[in-house]
Amino acid sequence: EIVLTQSPGTLSFSPGERATLSCRASQSVNSGYLAWYQHKPGQSPRLLIYGASTRATDIPDRFSGSGSGTVFTLTINRLEPEDFAVYFCQQYDISPPLYTFGQGTKVEIK
Amino acid sequence: QVQLQESGPGLVKPSETLSLTCTVTNVSISGNYWTWMRQPPGKGLEWIGYIFYPGNTKYNPSLKSRVTISVDTSMNQFSLKLKSVTAADTAVYYCARRYYDVLTGYPFFDYWGQGSLVTVSS
Repeated sequence: EIVLTQSPGTLSFSPGERATLSCRASQSVNSGYLAWYQHKPGQSPRLLIYGASTRATDIPDRFSGSGSGTVFTLTINRLEPEDFAVYFCQQYDISPPLYTFGQGTKVEIK
Repeated sequence: QVQLQESGPGLVKPSETLSLTCTVTNVSISGNYWTWMRQPPGKGLEWIGYIFYPGNTKYNPSLKSRVTISVDTSMNQFSLKLKSVTAADTAVYYCARRYYDVLTGYPFFDYWGQGSLVTVSS
């Protein structure tokens, strides 16, 4: 099973700053099978990025994803007040089919 | 707008069966992959399994012996049953649709429910 590690667990930023979040895999991940989500308390998780770097429908272009192999990054340029939330990465193993998730990084207001 | 909503008991006794239903609106259950996931307190998400109607289910090997996911097309719902629960099964349970990019085939979870907290306790 591929383990995804997101650290640190919490990052603090001021609005307008750039946030760079890390997701490290215990084994190489097919970039096509790496996604990022945003999760706010009491709300449904929201798909941001899939295929490591493709923005989902209606996601602002301040969100971008990159990486390959075992290291993936989510970058949020010019943080808006609504961007303060938990972000988690997710990968998919084809055989046997298994989805695993990182523990999440909370982006909080400094 | 596609919507998913989990429903079911919030409290289940140890050794009993946890049962949850996900009601799907504005998209047909048929021809889509429907997934259950859970998040124990203080931990990351865990994929439980999915069903593609008709005819295909896959489960997390760690839960496979206790899990059943099924579909009710007449109600446009899908359900989760997890038997022989223990305190370790206490979690927020989410239903979601697994979809894919039509050009690349890359998979993702695009629509999620808000989650349903299930506590296992006597």
